[in-house]
Amino acid sequence: AQSVTQPDIHITVSEGASLELRCNYSYGATPYLFWYVQSPGQGLQLLLKYFSGDTLVQGIKGFEAEFKRSQSSFNLRKPSVHWSDAAEYFCALSGGSNYKLTFGKGTLLTVNP
Amino acid sequence: GAVVSQHPSWVICKSGTSVKIECRSLDFQATTMFWYRQFPKQSLMLMATSNEGSKATYEQGVEKDKFLINHASLTLSTLTVTSAHPEDSSFYICSAIPIPRDRVVNNEQFFGPGTRLTVL
Repeated sequence: AQSVTQPDIHITVSEGASLELRCNYSYGATPYLFWYVQSPGQGLQLLLKYFSGDTLVQGIKGFEAEFKRSQSSFNLRKPSVHWSDAAEYFCALSGGSNYKLTFGKGTLLTVNP
Repeated sequence: GAVVSQHPSWVICKSGTSVKIECRSLDFQATTMFWYRQFPKQSLMLMATSNEGSKATYEQGVEKDKFLINHASLTLSTLTVTSAHPEDSSFYICSAIPIPRDRVVNNEQFFGPGTRLTVL
């Protein structure tokens, strides 16, 4: 069985501060990993994805994530947060040929001015 | 490219009625689409996998007779919530896998904008 854990339900940061959102996964092989962002009442926007190769992946809007196999983690980072980054962030995992995505419970990001 | 639309974006209906939600891939074809449900302040839960030309496969605990899925063409899947009740009120999101397979970039799905269903 595959699972995704996002330990932080809600994080608050000040605008301009750095950000790290945690994601841990459980899967028997190397998974495909994704980070999505969702604004209220909206669909999902893909921030970045990891399949293989370089463990540090760059995404849109200045986000990056690092895949650490030894820690089963895929944490999302941004060096300087903007007020427009306030949203819900979901880590997701896909493995095998069925393309099914398993989502974490999400982390709500609040950005203080 | 790889745009997915949903219609309607929101719908309000009376308890006991049926509601149909459409999911369309606008610039690609998809033999596989997925339907997710998201309750307020919760994550997305996969409901079913929609397969073009064949029956949908439902996740455990999802009533196939209540959530009817039809994937009649390579660009359209529909989800019909039959005899809707207030507990079916939720945000329904679809996603699609493009074909041919060589266009699929490592299991990436493309998501629709979602449909907000409110059952009174």
